Amino acid sequence: DQQVKQNSPSLSVQEGRISILNCDYTNSMFDYFLWYKKYPAEGPTFLISISSIKDKNEDGRFTVFLNKSAKHLSLHIVPSQPGDSAVYFCAASARDDKIIFGKGTRLHILP
Amino acid sequence: DTAVSQTPKYLVTQMGNDKSIKCEQNLGHDTMYWYKQDSKKFLKIMFSYNNKELIINETVPNRFSPKSPDKAHLNLHINSLELGDSAVYFCASSQSHRVSRDQPQHFGDGTRLSIL
Repeated sequence: DQQVKQNSPSLSVQEGRISILNCDYTNSMFDYFLWYKKYPAEGPTFLISISSIKDKNEDGRFTVFLNKSAKHLSLHIVPSQPGDSAVYFCAASARDDKIIFGKGTRLHILP
Repeated sequence: DTAVSQTPKYLVTQMGNDKSIKCEQNLGHDTMYWYKQDSKKFLKIMFSYNNKELIINETVPNRFSPKSPDKAHLNLHINSLELGDSAVYFCASSQSHRVSRDQPQHFGDGTRLSIL
């Protein structure tokens, strides 16, 4: 029972272009959403988050958009850089404070 | 200056053995976690401790026993290892057990456990 779904296992984007990573969720009780970035042989590192009371949060090149009615969120990276090549995990939390992670999307930034 | 460190990084062992994975954080956080990332790449929480007290215990076999001697350490002991225990185990910590806007979880680099 996947409560957080990242349906694209991988994505390739040209350097300098916009990368858009998508995430869908099923649990309407989720009120906080996070994105983590993971390099090989390292642990996930926190990237950006958004509360359910907002529909957009921006931090430098990274913007997260939340569409509650569609139970969908997306991470935009612009412009994409070579160091952005990594696995990106979408995650969500409800009031019980457990964080539920998606399976991740592997982003390849092409030169 | 590793914030969350776990040892060993790799662990290869025979089925039926007992093994431990250690985790330490130097961030002064109150809460620590163990996650399992299986072959399907899902990252799932197993346990969390807040100030040495167990607060989350997911449906995990009794063969898995976490131990928190102090709030900076959370070790994971696994008895009678089975093939299905092969996975990457991540330790993490956060300031508080309340998922918070400004207090994300910090992860260790993982321990890759392979059962022969």
